[in-house]
Amino acid sequence: AQTVTQSQPEMSVQEAETVTLSCTYDTSESDYYLFWYKQPPSRQMILVIRQEAYKQQNATENRFSVNFQKAAKSFSLKISDSQLGDAAMYFCAYRSGTSGSRLTFGEGTQLTVNP
Amino acid sequence: EPEVTQTPSHQVTQMGQEVILRCVPISNHLYFYWYRQILGQKVEFLVSFYNNEISEKSEIFDDQFSVERPDGSNFTLKIRSTKLEDSAMYFCASSEEGYGTGHYRDNSPLHFGNGTRLTVT
Repeated sequence: AQTVTQSQPEMSVQEAETVTLSCTYDTSESDYYLFWYKQPPSRQMILVIRQEAYKQQNATENRFSVNFQKAAKSFSLKISDSQLGDAAMYFCAYRSGTSGSRLTFGEGTQLTVNP
Repeated sequence: EPEVTQTPSHQVTQMGQEVILRCVPISNHLYFYWYRQILGQKVEFLVSFYNNEISEKSEIFDDQFSVERPDGSNFTLKIRSTKLEDSAMYFCASSEEGYGTGHYRDNSPLHFGNGTRLTVT
């Protein structure tokens, strides 16, 4: 079974600075997808960014980018120019590309943005 | 932008009672999901649903749970004889495609609703 681990329960960053959230996963599959979801206090799960394992290029969405290291099974999220609205719980998630449709989530990292 | 909507936002029920959580997925989506998040814990997969049947379920999704798409728009999760440990936030999600169509496409992310907070007393 796949597992996703986020080793940082809490992180903080100064407004306008850059922060990196860590995620590692364990799988024997070669075809899969990785995601970062944001959960603000409203509790809604919002997709931030996704990465296909078959793509070598790291995904980027505006101020959000990932560092995908397939051999190391690492998938970190970098938030540049942090804004107060970025404060939220961030979840890393894994989805198989061949066997099933479930998302497996990590424990989450609570990000605080200090003004 | 179309959204997944869930009702009610908060449901309080007594232990042993049945509850039905309701979801309206995005209209052109074909795959539907339920996830739950016990307070302070990670989000857990419960079940996925496609073409009017369960396509995958987790070990959490036992006989106490059932899902249904009673009409063309609603997707419901029924919990029979609720227990204290069923207290959690329940999220509905939908996607255009998923496993079973050949490949998970770039443009088929899961869209989550705002969740229903279930409190069992």
